[in-house]
Amino acid sequence: DAKTTQPPSMDCAEGRAANLPCNHSTISGNEYVYWYRQIHSQGPQYIIHGLKNNETNEMASLIITEDRKSSTLILPHATLRDTAVYYCIVRVEGNTGKLIFGQGTTLQVKP
Amino acid sequence: DTAVSQTPKYLVTQMGNDKSIKCEQNLGHDTMYWYKQDSKKFLKIMFSYNNKELIINETVPNRFSPKSPDKAHLNLHINSLELGDSAVYFCASSQWDRENTIYFGEGSWLTVV
Repeated sequence: DAKTTQPPSMDCAEGRAANLPCNHSTISGNEYVYWYRQIHSQGPQYIIHGLKNNETNEMASLIITEDRKSSTLILPHATLRDTAVYYCIVRVEGNTGKLIFGQGTTLQVKP
Repeated sequence: DTAVSQTPKYLVTQMGNDKSIKCEQNLGHDTMYWYKQDSKKFLKIMFSYNNKELIINETVPNRFSPKSPDKAHLNLHINSLELGDSAVYFCASSQWDRENTIYFGEGSWLTVV
């Protein structure tokens, strides 16, 4: 599975959009981009995933560049409860389920 | 209803003891996992079972023995506990298909003293 690079930390003002970048320049054609987050003392929470196209769900939007070498997770209206560590993971289609977690981005949403 | 549930949530035990952590999922998934998060907050997979069959064993000491009585349950038994086993253990599940999205439980905090 390809490696990802994320900034270690970011701040965002409450109510504003939080844009979390992820670099995955060695991604292969059959690798999905997954985003998870871990709120303090909780289990990792699935947010969204995508292959080529941009994706949106009730939690967030995922923007994948045309060359697929990077992506951005967008939380449209960040709240204090969105403060968490956000993990960007790439994983092969049909993979056995071995998610490789990096250090992620610690997002601090401030009032 | 909790999708992936683990018990106990907190466990404090002495070195040398044997303990178990239980996990159940009500999502109808066919694959279950155990992940470990150490003191440095790194999350790593330990085991994976698909339809009760072991498919991933990440060089975990054989003191750790997962048991899957059915597709909805995956228990983790740990023998002769050591100080270094102190960690948070997360159970997870997924439906093994093309996208295989994994859903995690809330974790079991194990402290060995």
